[in-house]
Amino acid sequence: DAGITQSPRHKVTETGTPVTLRCHQTENHRYMYWYRQDPGHGLRLIHYSYGVKDTDKGEVSDGYSVSRSKTEDFLLTLESATSSQTSVYFCAISPLGAFLHFGNGTRLTVT
Amino acid sequence: ILNVEQSPQSLHVQEGDSTNFTCSFPSSNFYALHWYRWETAKSPEALFVMTLNGDEKKKGRISATLNTKEGYSYLYIKGSQPEDSATYLCAFRLKTSYDKVIFGPGTSLSVIP
Repeated sequence: DAGITQSPRHKVTETGTPVTLRCHQTENHRYMYWYRQDPGHGLRLIHYSYGVKDTDKGEVSDGYSVSRSKTEDFLLTLESATSSQTSVYFCAISPLGAFLHFGNGTRLTVT
Repeated sequence: ILNVEQSPQSLHVQEGDSTNFTCSFPSSNFYALHWYRWETAKSPEALFVMTLNGDEKKKGRISATLNTKEGYSYLYIKGSQPEDSATYLCAFRLKTSYDKVIFGPGTSLSVIP
């Protein structure tokens, strides 16, 4: 166990509502990532962080925002959820240049 | 847009067969190449991190090679077993933005007993 926890594990929400997913780590790693799992695309990078308050966009950042106010927490917010954001979301952590350790995923359904 | 490609998309082999798949990435701007194994309903787990041209890594029956000049990596599985059934992902780190990790679409392997 790489000391990474995602919450909630499952979430059902309605179109148009805001949703926040949380990633918490106990490893003190500098880098944190949010990915979404899409059939035929593997994992697509939404946003990532390279330090407290330092974040950058990934491949599919539209409709998502992130915040990292502490080393251990990386929050992903869907400002106004849409059905196209139904997916499984994975958080990952990494020390510099090393491979990623993944959380168990959050299954989000937008109805 | 950064393109990391994997082939084939899916593969079905008999138990005991050896198999291999390919990951292609931009040869310029290379920093590192990762391989991950992803079983259904679980999280991806790292197999290898490769950084040098000509790198070869091995873990049990699984091995990988890296050619950074031409932009590809091969993953080999010798004597496939049913427990090898999973999706194999490669991921690419850019030299100019090494904190960004971009995944390929994966190769889904099914090993038939």
